[in-house]
Amino acid sequence: DVKVTQSSRYLVKRTGEKVFLECVQDMDHENMFWYRQDPGLGLRLIYFSYDVKMKEKGDIPEGYSVSREKKERFSLILESASTNQTSMYLCASSLLTSGRETQYFGPGTRLLVL
Amino acid sequence: DAKTTQPNSMESNEEEPVHLPCNHSTISGTDYIHWYRQLPSQGPEYVIHGLTSNVNNRMASLAIAEDRKSSTLILHRATLRDAAVYYCILRDDLVSYDGSSNTGKLIFGQGTTLQVKP
Repeated sequence: DVKVTQSSRYLVKRTGEKVFLECVQDMDHENMFWYRQDPGLGLRLIYFSYDVKMKEKGDIPEGYSVSREKKERFSLILESASTNQTSMYLCASSLLTSGRETQYFGPGTRLLVL
Repeated sequence: DAKTTQPNSMESNEEEPVHLPCNHSTISGTDYIHWYRQLPSQGPEYVIHGLTSNVNNRMASLAIAEDRKSSTLILHRATLRDAAVYYCILRDDLVSYDGSSNTGKLIFGQGTTLQVKP
């Protein structure tokens, strides 16, 4: 079974802190994604990556950056956390981006920024 | 990606079949129909997908209308563990690695919240 793990289930940070969210997948997938999920807004794509060292902006990249130094690991960075970044963050991976491909999600990290 | 419409909520009794409908009247010929579900406090989980023919797997069945404008996810015997939000999503099979037409992202709508009663 594909496994996508995220470094923390729950995280509490203060405004202005630099926050790292780590995601690791064990299936040698090419593509990795970071979404955030907020009530009433569904899942929104922050960044994605097609390959090592490649990154593309999603729909809401402002205030975030990403790093993909190794194929299995995709990190989301909040350069200076703000209260409006309080959210559930979900990492996902897939082998390809075609329509028939399945995305596998991690358990999520619930981030609270005070 | 084309839009889908699902009921906001449904109820079912434990051990009874559940039929979750999804309308997608603007579906294109290359759109795959995917279903994911999200249990409380968990990440979304893949359930099933199909293109034209009905599909079965260990979790569920997917019945696709002949004109492909609607589909139904069937849980054959609902359990309490099946209480979740179910999302019907269309995914275009056209691949573009420059990101211009297919980023691979999933567009989740509001989904159907399924309540299973003991």
